Amino acid sequence: DAGITQSPRHKVTETGTPVTLRCHQTENHRYMYWYRQDPGHGLRLIHYSYGVKDTDKGEVSDGYSVSRSKTEDFLLTLESATSSQTSVYFCATGTSENTGELFFGEGSRLTVL
Amino acid sequence: AQSVSQHNHHVILSEAASLELGCNYSYGGTVNLFWYVQYPGQHLQLLLKYFSGDPLVKGIKGFEAEFIKSKFSFNLRKPSVQWSDTAEYFCAVMGSSASKIIFGSGTRLSIRP
Repeated sequence: DAGITQSPRHKVTETGTPVTLRCHQTENHRYMYWYRQDPGHGLRLIHYSYGVKDTDKGEVSDGYSVSRSKTEDFLLTLESATSSQTSVYFCATGTSENTGELFFGEGSRLTVL
Repeated sequence: AQSVSQHNHHVILSEAASLELGCNYSYGGTVNLFWYVQYPGQHLQLLLKYFSGDPLVKGIKGFEAEFIKSKFSFNLRKPSVQWSDTAEYFCAVMGSSASKIIFGSGTRLSIRP
């Protein structure tokens, strides 16, 4: 598996507070993705990046922003967390060949009270 | 926009039974197709993939999938399931003109010993 680490792995926060999740990869993969996993919805794409400083919206981007200032890090920020953002967040990476094959991190469980 | 439908939300089988999980996608062009598996408490792992060529693809652990272009389908099959196949299975699609990889809602597979 690609070296993908997510931090924090678990976080409990209150409504209205900002939250940043970090994804760090050591594989020099060009593409990086943030998904959220919720029961009955599977994985839904939040944002993705196709290079440093190059990002685009996914299916459920409202309330989320991302930044990628260097190849290895992809940050997901909830500017003002809401209870509907309680979820498990997965980071994934893809190689420069852009075949669509993804390598996943271990996930970050976020609870917004 | 691309989308993926998995109509079986929860499938329960006995060991040695045959498995077929449905996946239909919507996209107007060439696609890459994937099946991922998520074992309890773990992150997603690639099970198999289709890029081009032979529409019948074989993956790990005895799984296979058939791409039927006319039906926009990519069903997952296994002739004889084992208790260790208990997991959630996700179909995913990437259109040729985009970097987005979109997942279906997943199918939970439970195997009775």
